[in-house]
Amino acid sequence: DAGVIQSPRHEVTEMGQEVTLRCKPISGHNSLFWYRQTMMRGLELLIYFNNNVPIDDSGMPEDRFSAKMPNASFSTLKIQPSEPRDSAVYFCASSLFAGEKLGGTEAFFGQGTRLTVV
Amino acid sequence: EDQVTQSPEALRLQEGESSSLNCSYTVSGLRGLFWYRQDPGKGPEFLFTLYSAGEEKEKERLKATLTKKESFLHITAPKPEDSATYLCAVQAWGYSTLTFGKGTMLLVSP
Repeated sequence: DAGVIQSPRHEVTEMGQEVTLRCKPISGHNSLFWYRQTMMRGLELLIYFNNNVPIDDSGMPEDRFSAKMPNASFSTLKIQPSEPRDSAVYFCASSLFAGEKLGGTEAFFGQGTRLTVV
Repeated sequence: EDQVTQSPEALRLQEGESSSLNCSYTVSGLRGLFWYRQDPGKGPEFLFTLYSAGEEKEKERLKATLTKKESFLHITAPKPEDSATYLCAVQAWGYSTLTFGKGTMLLVSP
């Protein structure tokens, strides 16, 4: 399996522009996560989908951020309008959630998108 | 709220000099504790999952252990290729999401 695939790897945009980050999870996985990583705050969960349905979006910073998962093999994270403080590395991860009674399930991460807003 | 604290923030070792990284956690009910390795410019790479106190897992020069309040990642006779940031994360019962610590940046010099 190719693993979690994210695009683009790098994005430089001007403040106020719309940015769309893309993710293809591992085939067969039913959970998808978007995380943001900065030096100051580390890895922070933005949103979590299970079976293509958003379950927890409490980490989404504000209304400028939105995420969709139209099918099991694709998700997007959109920022509109973008601001310099959105500059960070954005990771997508996927896992196979096998049920509430089973033990912890590890998440597999993509290579990330480094976003720079100038 | 689940919390994960890792120490030290950075650690510099000579090749062959063994040491341990610490991960202290508070969680409503631990479903699993995870260790990841992250190389510069790459995504976190899964290493171990620990489920209950007393459990240990090994992989090459790495051994992870778990108590009710913390986990240790022991590195025995490290090599320069072990240089990376090591991340610890917890997952609580009833949730699929992982809460991460800020990591320990390990540098192993030849």
